[in-house]
Amino acid sequence: AQSVAQPEDQVNVAEGNPLTVKCTYSVSGNPYLFWYVQYPNRGLQFLLKYITGDNLVKGSYGFEAEFNKSQTSFHLKKPSALVSDSALYFCAVYDMRFGAGTRLTVKP
Amino acid sequence: DAGVIQSPRHEVTEMGQEVTLRCKPISGHNSLFWYRQTMMRGLELLIYFNNNVPIDDSGMPEDRFSAKMPNASFSTLKIQPSEPRDSAVYFCASSLYGVGGANVLTFGAGSRLTVL
Repeated sequence: AQSVAQPEDQVNVAEGNPLTVKCTYSVSGNPYLFWYVQYPNRGLQFLLKYITGDNLVKGSYGFEAEFNKSQTSFHLKKPSALVSDSALYFCAVYDMRFGAGTRLTVKP
Repeated sequence: DAGVIQSPRHEVTEMGQEVTLRCKPISGHNSLFWYRQTMMRGLELLIYFNNNVPIDDSGMPEDRFSAKMPNASFSTLKIQPSEPRDSAVYFCASSLYGVGGANVLTFGAGSRLTVL
């Protein structure tokens, strides 16, 4: 079975600091992996995806994610957090099932 | 394109009533997904359709829930009879392709259901 896990319910960072939102996966075959973001009272929006190739994937709003096969991880990162990045972040695998979500709060 | 359109945005009903949620996917998208979001369970995949055919309904919680897609531009999720534990935000999403590839979903704004 394909699955992802987001080990942190909540991540708090100060504005301007780097942020990381963690995701680990369990996939047989090629791991197509995705990150989505959900702002309050909105549907999810696509951020980025990993298909194959370069382990560092760049996406929308300055986000990037690093695919690590040996650690079966696909962590979302951003070099400098903004208050407006505060939202719920979801990792997903190719069968369109999502992790539990991680609430990111960026404080001024 | 107006994106994925869901209606109603908010629904308040009483236990035992029938609830119908509607979704219009993006034109040209061949797959449609229904999700339910709650604090306790997170985002659950209920059912998905490919070319209007239900492919996987293993996430549908029980027989009170049913979903249809009579044509490429319309889908419904029906709950009959509704119960308070059905209170949640229900999302519809569509995509060009089905499950199994590097497929990107476009989500609607959701329908918030409250069952009293």
